[in-house]
Amino acid sequence: EAGVTQSPTHLIKTRGQQATLRCSPISGHTSVYWYQQALGLGLQFLLWYDEGEERNRGNFPPRFSGRQFPNYSSELNVNALELEDSALYLCASSDRDRGFYEQYFGPGTRLTVT
Amino acid sequence: GDSVTQMEGPVTLSEEAFLTINCTYTATGYPSLFWYVQYPGEGLQLLLKATKADDKGSNKGFEATYRKETTSFHLEKGSVQVSDSAVYFCAREGVPAGGSARQLTFGSGTQLTVLP
Repeated sequence: EAGVTQSPTHLIKTRGQQATLRCSPISGHTSVYWYQQALGLGLQFLLWYDEGEERNRGNFPPRFSGRQFPNYSSELNVNALELEDSALYLCASSDRDRGFYEQYFGPGTRLTVT
Repeated sequence: GDSVTQMEGPVTLSEEAFLTINCTYTATGYPSLFWYVQYPGEGLQLLLKATKADDKGSNKGFEATYRKETTSFHLEKGSVQVSDSAVYFCAREGVPAGGSARQLTFGSGTQLTVLP
């Protein structure tokens, strides 16, 4: 069974630009979660999508947004990039049978803002 | 809101030593509890879980028991290996501070280094 995949692995942007990160969940999983892991700050919850709808968002400004497609893959968009957006962005997925909280993580996208 | 407090790191042990990483959670409801592990350069992997009081989760020699009376879920391993070097995260499901919907809330992570 293929795991959660994320692309790209690394992304380098300049301040003010937009970044788009992509995630494909495990086959059969309907929920996708996005987390930000900045150096020294642990995991901060960003967004949760389930069945194509946004179910919850963390304490992040509106320039962090995303969507979930009919095939349950997801995209995270970060507009007007700031230096402090530099972090590892992790995507996770889960399914209804095992419960929404048993999440399986991808390897992450390392975003560097210069 | 719901939160998780995890033992501060880093923790450095010699191979075959006994490991304990402490984790306590806020006592609202009856949350499922999890330990995740992050190896260098990788995403998080689910290590073990427990869904109700007195449950013991176990995997790869690691164990954690859901203690409702002490609101704890400490991670233990009897004999660590160099390959166990990683960051360990305790997590609970619930509603975090300032939030309105249930989600996974993570502790701050504990860096474990095992020396040969």
